[in-house]
Amino acid sequence: EAGVAQSPRYKIIEKRQSVAFWCNPISGHATLYWYQQILGQGPKLLIQFQNNGVVDDSQLPKDRFSAERLKGVDSTLKIQPAKLEDSAVYLCASSPAGTAINTEAFFGQGTRLTVV
Amino acid sequence: DAKTTQPPSMDCAEGRAANLPCNHSTISGNEYVYWYRQIHSQGPQYIIHGLKNNETNEMASLIITEDRKSSTLILPHATLRDTAVYYCIVRPWGTASKLTFGTGTRLQVTL
Repeated sequence: EAGVAQSPRYKIIEKRQSVAFWCNPISGHATLYWYQQILGQGPKLLIQFQNNGVVDDSQLPKDRFSAERLKGVDSTLKIQPAKLEDSAVYLCASSPAGTAINTEAFFGQGTRLTVV
Repeated sequence: DAKTTQPPSMDCAEGRAANLPCNHSTISGNEYVYWYRQIHSQGPQYIIHGLKNNETNEMASLIITEDRKSSTLILPHATLRDTAVYYCIVRPWGTASKLTFGTGTRLQVTL
C-alpha cells in the first residue's frame, strides 16, 4: 500500500514569512498526527485529528500555527509568521481507527523547514 | 501518560543481539508498551508493541517484566541497517490515544 505522502521535502524561508505543509495519509486512515522534530530531540505532537475533528492540539502554538483536515483526508499545517525556532522537521503520521485496539502509526518522511 | 527512561546511547557489534532497555515504572494497567525506531532522515517506524506478555515479530522481540515496570527490545542479529534511534513509548489503550516520544536510545551497530 502507498505510504504517508508529505510535501515539500525541504523548505527554506525567511523569518516572518508564512509556509504550508501538506500531508496525504494512507487511504482509509481516520487518525492523522502532525509532529515537530527539532534536531537532536524526539518528535513532539502538535495536533491530532480523528477524521476531520481535532482530538488534541494542546501543544500547537495557536498564535502562529494552524492545521486543518478537510473532509477527513488530506491535511495542511501552516505557520504564519515563522520564527527562527520553528526550524525543524515536520512529520505527518496516520493510523487506522474504529477498533478497540491500538494500532501502529505510519509516518511520512517529513518536511525539513529552515527559517533564516 | 507514563514516563519512560532509556539510556541515551548504546553500541552493538554486527551479528550480535542488541538488547535495548526501557524503564516505565509508573505504567498503569491500561497502557501498552510500544517501540519505534527512526533511521537517519526518515520518519519513525513501528517495531512492536505489547501489554504484558512477551511478543515477537519478524523485526524484534519485546520482553516485558512481570510487574510491567520495565521492558527490553531485542534485535536478535543486529545489522548495520539497524543503526537508528529507538523510542520506547507507553500509550494508553484507546483508538485515538496520543503517541508521545521521548529522547530515545541511539543504537550504533558496528562491524
